[in-house]
Amino acid sequence: GQQVMQIPQYQHVQEGEDFTTYCNSSTTLSNIQWYKQRPGGHPVFLIQLVKSGEVKKQKRLTFQFGEAKKNSSLHITATQTTDVGTYFCAGAGKSTFGDGTTLTVKP
Amino acid sequence: DTGVSQDPRHKITKRGQNVTFRCDPISEHNRLYWYRQTLGQGPEFLTYFQNEAQLEKSRLLSDRFSAERPKGSFSTLEIQRTEQGDSAMYLCASSLGDWGEAFFGQGTRLTVV
Repeated sequence: GQQVMQIPQYQHVQEGEDFTTYCNSSTTLSNIQWYKQRPGGHPVFLIQLVKSGEVKKQKRLTFQFGEAKKNSSLHITATQTTDVGTYFCAGAGKSTFGDGTTLTVKP
Repeated sequence: DTGVSQDPRHKITKRGQNVTFRCDPISEHNRLYWYRQTLGQGPEFLTYFQNEAQLEKSRLLSDRFSAERPKGSFSTLEIQRTEQGDSAMYLCASSLGDWGEAFFGQGTRLTVV
């Protein structure tokens, strides 16, 4: 069945450094969604990408959907301590979540 | 509407017992999803409903798991003859349609002893 892989599994950064997580699917996705889960919390929706090559920005966060619609990335510029958490991508109508990238930020 | 609510928040049960969890989605959402999440993993899809119809069930899901959404509103997830490997956080989410964003509940943490 469809699988969604995320790398890296963990990322530790100094506050102010940039961060990127990558999501790769074994099959073409109709759309991809990104969620953030804070420690002890539940996943919270960030954004949905639909079009091939789409790029969306939310303040310091930039999301990209690959041309082949099989990969996506989330980039955070100048991380802050409020960015800590695990970032998940989800495809296939929310039935396939990656295992996430856990971001820790050292002040 | 205050979002997706799940009950109970925590459940400790003895191995072999049956447990039932409840999820109340956002009222106008027609899609309801159940996931299981363990430490360090992403949400693992279990099943989803469109209104009262259960449209998909994970092939990995044991026959001991069953879910219902009788009137297309709240849903229940039952686990029969619980095993220690069932210990996990059980998350419910709802959305408006297939492409809508999923709103998650706080989850029910199950511990099987």
